[in-house]
Amino acid sequence: GQQVMQIPQYQHVQEGEDFTTYCNSSTTLSNIQWYKQRPGGHPVFLIQLVKSGEVKKQKRLTFQFGEAKKNSSLHITATQTTDVGTYFCAGFGNEKLTFGTGTRLTIIP
Amino acid sequence: DGGITQSPKYLFRKEGQNVTLSCEQNLNHDAMYWYRQDPGQGLRLIYYSQIVNDFQKGDIAEGYSVSREKKESFPLTVTSAQKNPTAFYLCASSPGTGDYEQYFGPGTRLTVT
Repeated sequence: GQQVMQIPQYQHVQEGEDFTTYCNSSTTLSNIQWYKQRPGGHPVFLIQLVKSGEVKKQKRLTFQFGEAKKNSSLHITATQTTDVGTYFCAGFGNEKLTFGTGTRLTIIP
Repeated sequence: DGGITQSPKYLFRKEGQNVTLSCEQNLNHDAMYWYRQDPGQGLRLIYYSQIVNDFQKGDIAEGYSVSREKKESFPLTVTSAQKNPTAFYLCASSPGTGDYEQYFGPGTRLTVT
């Protein structure tokens, strides 16, 4: 079946440093979604990427979808304490949305 | 105020008891989902429903049951057959089961002792 892996599982960064999480699918995806879950909270939708090679930006967040539509990345520039949480990718393929394992980001003030 | 509600936030049960978790949405969404989240793991799909009176098993349906008698409601029963029921349970909805974003409820943390 479809599997979506994310690395790293955990990331600790100093406030102001950049952060990147990577998502890889075992199958080609129709699209990929990204969610953020704050500690003790629930996942909240951030963005969806559909096209091969697509790049989207939301302020300090940059999302990329690979050319082969099997991988994606989320990059945060100059992290802030409000960025703490777990970031999940979710790949849509074979009529099914499969969530990645998530990357938990902690910020050292 | 539109959204998804789950209750209760925390739930404690003794081993061997069935327990039902509620999920209600007023977003007029057709599709609803139940996920289980364990520490260090992603979200695993338990059941989903595309339309009233219809539902399908997800990746980890064993030991769980659902019903979808109303569009706005999708309760999940954790049965005594579920071997490791202690977890954080999340309900979600979306306009359809295609490539739509999913809206999540606040979750129910179930502890079985």
